[in-house]
Amino acid sequence: AQSVTQLDSHVSVSEGTPVLLRCNYSSSYSPSLFWYVQHPNKGLQLLLKYTSAATLVKGINGFEAEFKKSETSFHLTKPSAHMSDAAEYFCVVSGSASKIIFGSGTRLSIRP
Amino acid sequence: DTGVSQNPRHKITKRGQNVTFRCDPISEHNRLYWYRQTLGQGPEFLTYFQNEAQLEKSRLLSDRFSAERPKGSFSTLEIQRTEQGDSAMYLCASSVSGQLRAGELFFGEGSRLTVL
Repeated sequence: AQSVTQLDSHVSVSEGTPVLLRCNYSSSYSPSLFWYVQHPNKGLQLLLKYTSAATLVKGINGFEAEFKKSETSFHLTKPSAHMSDAAEYFCVVSGSASKIIFGSGTRLSIRP
Repeated sequence: DTGVSQNPRHKITKRGQNVTFRCDPISEHNRLYWYRQTLGQGPEFLTYFQNEAQLEKSRLLSDRFSAERPKGSFSTLEIQRTEQGDSAMYLCASSVSGQLRAGELFFGEGSRLTVL
């Protein structure tokens, strides 16, 4: 069975400071992991993906995530937040075409 | 625009009425997914198609929900005898098949249903 837990429902940071959005997963086999972003009134967009190659994955807009098997984590980070990063972020685990499971989401707010 | 298109974007209906949503995927994508998203939650998987075959439908919320993809292109999601609890955003996504691409979904902007 697979599951994904996003540890924070809401994260607020100041513009220019680092962002950390936390995600833990559970999977009985080696999963593929993803982060998606949803801006207000926009469709979900893929930020980055991990598929058992390099454990540090770089995505769009300066985001990256590190796969840590020992901690079953796939946290999303960005060195310096921008106002345009304000959105909802979803961690996703995939084991097959029919098993693509979304977390409950983390709303990221950016303070000027 | 060659992205995933969903219609209508908004639907307000009275309890007990039937509603149908349409999804036009990216043309070269053979997989099509339907998800439901309620406020404050992540998308919840409903069903998916590979070409015209519906390969997983056990997650459809009840027998009032049905989906079709008759020619392997566009898809429809129908909800019969709507209930207030059906109010949600219904999301469609498409993708290509293949192990390396599993999970890479391209989403439409969704169809928001409000049941009065």
